[in-house]
Amino acid sequence: TQLLEQSPQFLSIQEGENLTVYCNSSSVFSSLQWYRQEPGEGPVLLVTVVTGGEVKKLKRLTFQFGDARKDSSLHITAAQPGDTGLYLCAGAGFSNAGNMLTFGGGTRLMVKP
Amino acid sequence: DSGVTQTPKHLITATGQRVTLRCSPRSGDLSVYWYQQSLDQGLQFLIQYYNGEERAKGNILERFSAQQFPDLHSELNLSSLELGDSALYFCASSVTQGTSYGYTFGSGTRLTVV
Repeated sequence: TQLLEQSPQFLSIQEGENLTVYCNSSSVFSSLQWYRQEPGEGPVLLVTVVTGGEVKKLKRLTFQFGDARKDSSLHITAAQPGDTGLYLCAGAGFSNAGNMLTFGGGTRLMVKP
Repeated sequence: DSGVTQTPKHLITATGQRVTLRCSPRSGDLSVYWYQQSLDQGLQFLIQYYNGEERAKGNILERFSAQQFPDLHSELNLSSLELGDSALYFCASSVTQGTSYGYTFGSGTRLTVV
């Protein structure tokens, strides 16, 4: 059972389009992180959000943490082929695993030129 | 290069065998985490070590064990391998025990059990 639900699971779009990926849970997180993973590589940390309602921008990527700290979204503006990859959200603060990160199932994004 | 080194990159072995996966954390990081990634289960936390001591256990099978050595490198031992153990195994490291600074992942070991 996934404690973190990501949607959509798959997304295929054309270069230049905008997209939003969602990460939802019924539990409250102490913090939430987003990672991007490319084939044959490990996940790479993009951002950490800690405060409810927090918004962070990383070039064309905008990350938002929900007010109740149960959900998060990642918005990409004018997607480029280089954005292709697996996007993972990870929540911290689940007592069943101590202070570990629990990962969502991921959103696999493909941006076509 | 993330600074976390995992060896070997690929491993093919038969059912019933035993393998050891190795991880060297990023310089200065004291925590090491092991995760298993499969297509149907995503990234599943296995175990964490901090400065040589086990700190947390996740969904790690009894056939699996790990340790962290004084030089902070870690090894994950998988025994009595089954077909279902085929997966990507990632090691990650962080400077603290917690999650505030995020994890730095290695490139993983792809294990195929035939």
